[in-house]
Amino acid sequence: QVQLVESGGGVVQTGGSLRLSCVTSGFSFSTYAMHWVRHAPGKGLEWVSYIWSEETDKFYADSVKGRFTISRDNSKNTLYLQMNSLRAEDTAVYYCVRSGSSRQLDYWGQGTLVSVSS
Amino acid sequence: EIVMTQSPDTLSVSPGEGATLSCRATQSVSSNLAWYQQKRGQAPRLLIYAASTRATGIPARFSGSGSGTEFTLSISSLQSEDFAVYYCQQYNNWPALTFGGGTKVEIK
Repeated sequence: QVQLVESGGGVVQTGGSLRLSCVTSGFSFSTYAMHWVRHAPGKGLEWVSYIWSEETDKFYADSVKGRFTISRDNSKNTLYLQMNSLRAEDTAVYYCVRSGSSRQLDYWGQGTLVSVSS
Repeated sequence: EIVMTQSPDTLSVSPGEGATLSCRATQSVSSNLAWYQQKRGQAPRLLIYAASTRATGIPARFSGSGSGTEFTLSISSLQSEDFAVYYCQQYNNWPALTFGGGTKVEIK
């Protein structure tokens, strides 16, 4: 079955960095586009970033552009999110999400919590 | 940016009753609209995509309708496991996805 397992979250000070990982299994990772979506406390869901299957296209929400970098290693079936210059408003649960054949977000990981404190 | 607005914020429903949730887009998203269910402490789960197609394993009591800017998620005969927060999301403006603020369906 499809599984996505995030890791790398934690507590970091304002201005710090974290690298999130998402190890996937149960599907042909290299043929699927992937997203990161976050959920801040008391708020709704927010799309963060997208990467095409061959890493040729990457897109970011304006709120993270220039600070976050999405990447993937198809040989390891793993998705990454490098987060730099973290701000308090980046505090959220970060989900790794697969993009289905009709562009729907069809499988989600369990999420990893990032907490940015001053 | 396409802004998605959901209503109501909270819906109080008795088990066994039906529920209708609304989602409106600030510009047409055609049928590129999905619905997700999120329970406390869990990841969102895909319910509906392409406005009206149920995802794999989703019970028939969940149905979606609409196109353009107005969409509806209907849940017939709510079960205990259906009390959750529901989000709509457009993917017409790909890949800049946007979500609605959510509707909480609570037990009356």
